[in-house]
Amino acid sequence: GDSVTQTEGLVTLTEGLPVMLNCTYQTIYSNPFLFWYVQHLNESPRLLLKSFTDNKRTEHQGFHATLHKSSSSFHLQKSSAQLSDSALYYCALSDRGNNRIFFGDGTQLVVKP
Amino acid sequence: EAAVTQSPRSKVAVTGGKVTLSCHQTNNHDYMYWYRQDTGHGLRLIHYSYVADSTEKGDIPDGYKASRPSQENFSLILELASLSQTAVYFCASTRGLGEQYFGPGTRLTVL
Repeated sequence: GDSVTQTEGLVTLTEGLPVMLNCTYQTIYSNPFLFWYVQHLNESPRLLLKSFTDNKRTEHQGFHATLHKSSSSFHLQKSSAQLSDSALYYCALSDRGNNRIFFGDGTQLVVKP
Repeated sequence: EAAVTQSPRSKVAVTGGKVTLSCHQTNNHDYMYWYRQDTGHGLRLIHYSYVADSTEKGDIPDGYKASRPSQENFSLILELASLSQTAVYFCASTRGLGEQYFGPGTRLTVL
């Protein structure tokens, strides 16, 4: 079945350094939708980025990601981490074949001064 | 702005008791979902629904039932609450398989 893998459970960075959170997915369907959600402490998850177009960069609030169907990846990047970026980040996949969404286990990002 | 509300926001239940968590959305979305989140861990899908009067099992349905009596309402029922069901529960809705709009969450403590 479909699945999403986020290899890092915890990423700790110093402010100002680049961010890269890994996301790979598995699906037999050719047109998946990929999402990044962010959840700050004591808040609900909210959408950060989404894409269904192969090899097209999508950007929002300083973060960007590119869906690469050839490698089944949708990594989240930011050029310079800020303290306010500390949060739990989820990668998610949906496709019409399964008629539901699949979330990865999440990556906790901690940005230190 | 999509709106999803949950009630109660917080609940303390006794082991073996019945608990009902309610979710209401005013977005005219077809899909609704129930997730649980344990402290420091990710979201896990319990049940979901893409049409009124029908529900589907998610990844961890054991010990939970769901009810979708109308497009706007989706309930999660714990018939016999257990200590292991202490968690934060999130409801979400989507139009098709697009962006998920989450409710504020319900913090459930089973004693």
